[in-house]
Amino acid sequence: EIVLTQFPATLSLSPGERATLSCRASQSVGRYLAWYQQKPGQAPRLLIHDVSKRATDTPARFSGSGSGTDFTLTISSLEPEDLAVYYCQQRSNWHVTFGQGTRLEMK
Amino acid sequence: QVQLHQSGPGLLKPSETLSLTCTVSGGSISGYYWSWIRQPAGKGLEWLGLIYSSGMTNSNPSLGGRVTLSLDSSKNEFSLKLTSVTAADTAVYFCAREGYCNDGTCYSTYWFDPWSQGTLVTVSS
Repeated sequence: EIVLTQFPATLSLSPGERATLSCRASQSVGRYLAWYQQKPGQAPRLLIHDVSKRATDTPARFSGSGSGTDFTLTISSLEPEDLAVYYCQQRSNWHVTFGQGTRLEMK
Repeated sequence: QVQLHQSGPGLLKPSETLSLTCTVSGGSISGYYWSWIRQPAGKGLEWLGLIYSSGMTNSNPSLGGRVTLSLDSSKNEFSLKLTSVTAADTAVYFCAREGYCNDGTCYSTYWFDPWSQGTLVTVSS
């Protein structure tokens, strides 16, 4: 099983600041890495797939990068509605795993 | 726009079988992969298993074979059964679609979109 480790666990920033969230895989996942946003009381929403491809309706301030085992989700300029938990996800040999999440808080 | 709607009991006793159904509206169940994912309160996401529209299934080995997945294309719905539940199975359960179809050809992706709204299932005596 591929383990995804996300850091930091919690990120506290002010609106307008840049957020950098990391996801590290225990072995290479190539470019098969997705990111989700989960707001309180809601289902996760796909933000980015294939490392850097924004899903429909994902704002341009969200971008993804990386390859192999190290990946980054960047929010270029935080908006108050970006308050959420962010998860990375991969599938290898038909086995899906998620990272434990990074909680994004607003100062 | 495809939407997923779950149904099933929200309260179970230990040792009972959890049964949930996810109905697909606004699109066909054929050609896609359909997964179940759960989330204990305040915790992260755990993938339970998937079923392809052909009936092929795969489940998370950590569940020790307690998962059974089925699909009824005539009703455009798929189902999860989880046997011998304990308090550790208390969670919000989601269903989600995986895959992409274009011009009649469908492809497996690995990412999930859309998701259902989620159903809280509580296991308590």
